[in-house]
Amino acid sequence: NAGVTQTPKFQVLKTGQSMTLQCAQDMNHEYMSWYRQDPGMGLRLIHYSVGAGITDQGEVPNGYNVSRSTTEDFPLRLLSAAPSQTSVYFCASRPRDPAYEQYFGPGTRLTVT
Amino acid sequence: EDKVVQSPLSLVVHEGDTVTLNCSYEVTNFRSLLWYKQEKKAPTFLFMLTSSGIEKKSGRLSSILDKKELSSILNITATQTGDSAIYLCAVVVASGAGSYQLTFGKGTKLSVIP
Repeated sequence: NAGVTQTPKFQVLKTGQSMTLQCAQDMNHEYMSWYRQDPGMGLRLIHYSVGAGITDQGEVPNGYNVSRSTTEDFPLRLLSAAPSQTSVYFCASRPRDPAYEQYFGPGTRLTVT
Repeated sequence: EDKVVQSPLSLVVHEGDTVTLNCSYEVTNFRSLLWYKQEKKAPTFLFMLTSSGIEKKSGRLSSILDKKELSSILNITATQTGDSAIYLCAVVVASGAGSYQLTFGKGTKLSVIP
């Protein structure tokens, strides 16, 4: 049982480049989310999904796209990277039932130069 | 807008001290409160609190929820250097149509020095 996996672990991009951060979970969780974490800012929600085919914006969605074609996968796309997107990105998943906690992936450290 | 506030934002203590971390919230449709510990990587789950006044305990860590005061505390007794981490509080709220969302506080950075 791998839990929540993310790739890559580290990435350096130049301003204007695009890329996709991959996230997968094998726990059959309905809910998946993407967060970014910056010093002193805590975890901020970028986008989330409550099931395959359903996505919605979180607190800081600008510059990012998501899709959820399967229950397992929830990729995050950076359309045109900017230095302000330098951050650590965490993917998370949890069951629909709120009685269960949220599980986090190991994170991707992204630097945009 | 839902709000979760943690205090203090950072704390430095000596090994053996007891610390109390605070989390207060202003949300609609509260369902539960979660505590996470984050060291160098991803947050790891500590406690989930749903009922007021019932203490959850795990070793030297304990936590309790006060729904009247809209707050929770996380206590760590006899601190060790391995307790150094960021402690995150998150509140689960019902957001309609049977769905639930988490709102995180900014975290408390705890540093335990020998």
